[in-house]
Amino acid sequence: EAQVTQNPRYLITVTGKKLTVTCSQNMNHEYMSWYRQDPGLGLRQIYYSMNVEVTDKGDVPEGYKVSRKEKRNFPLILESPSPNQTSLYFCASSLYPPRVRGYTFGSGTRLTVV
Amino acid sequence: DAKTTQPNSMESNEEEPVHLPCNHSTISGTDYIHWYRQLPSQGPEYVIHGLTSNVNNRMASLAIAEDRKSSTLILHRATLRDAAVYYCILDAGGTSYGKLTFGQGTILTVHP
Repeated sequence: EAQVTQNPRYLITVTGKKLTVTCSQNMNHEYMSWYRQDPGLGLRQIYYSMNVEVTDKGDVPEGYKVSRKEKRNFPLILESPSPNQTSLYFCASSLYPPRVRGYTFGSGTRLTVV
Repeated sequence: DAKTTQPNSMESNEEEPVHLPCNHSTISGTDYIHWYRQLPSQGPEYVIHGLTSNVNNRMASLAIAEDRKSSTLILHRATLRDAAVYYCILDAGGTSYGKLTFGQGTILTVHP
């Protein structure tokens, strides 16, 4: 089944403890992206990647890192999580160019930083 | 960056058509218009997209104004399963290629 898989689905962590949220897609998509969703703010883009070794900032990149060493994986790294990064995170992927195909989203990762 | 504006909420009755509007007055010539919907506890789901011409698929129709400053998502016969938050999205081009801008979304309620 074609899908975007995020892990973990739920995560509670403490301030300052490095964590990684994984995202993997099995559709050979070039484009991948991370979003966070907060009440009243909708979805906001954190980072996106047009292809392997190519990444760029979205609207809210502060406090996050990403890497794209393989086409199928696009992990989101929080080096020193803070409570304001408590949010629902979504990964998405698409063929390239992304605008001529729809985006496929993962099921989400709910992160709580205490 | 181009932004979109949508009504916060809309209501419909089952099996009636629904027209969900979106304003994007600062859209650029290369921006595609995408629509997604999101059910509780799920990721957004692709509905439809277009550039200049009206588009139809099995889920919905997309009507794009001639000046491209607004668009309307049309659900021809709403069902209870269509109750969701609908997002109108501009897929940017030029130097912002690949950077998606989400609107606030419209909460669609469908009454039996």
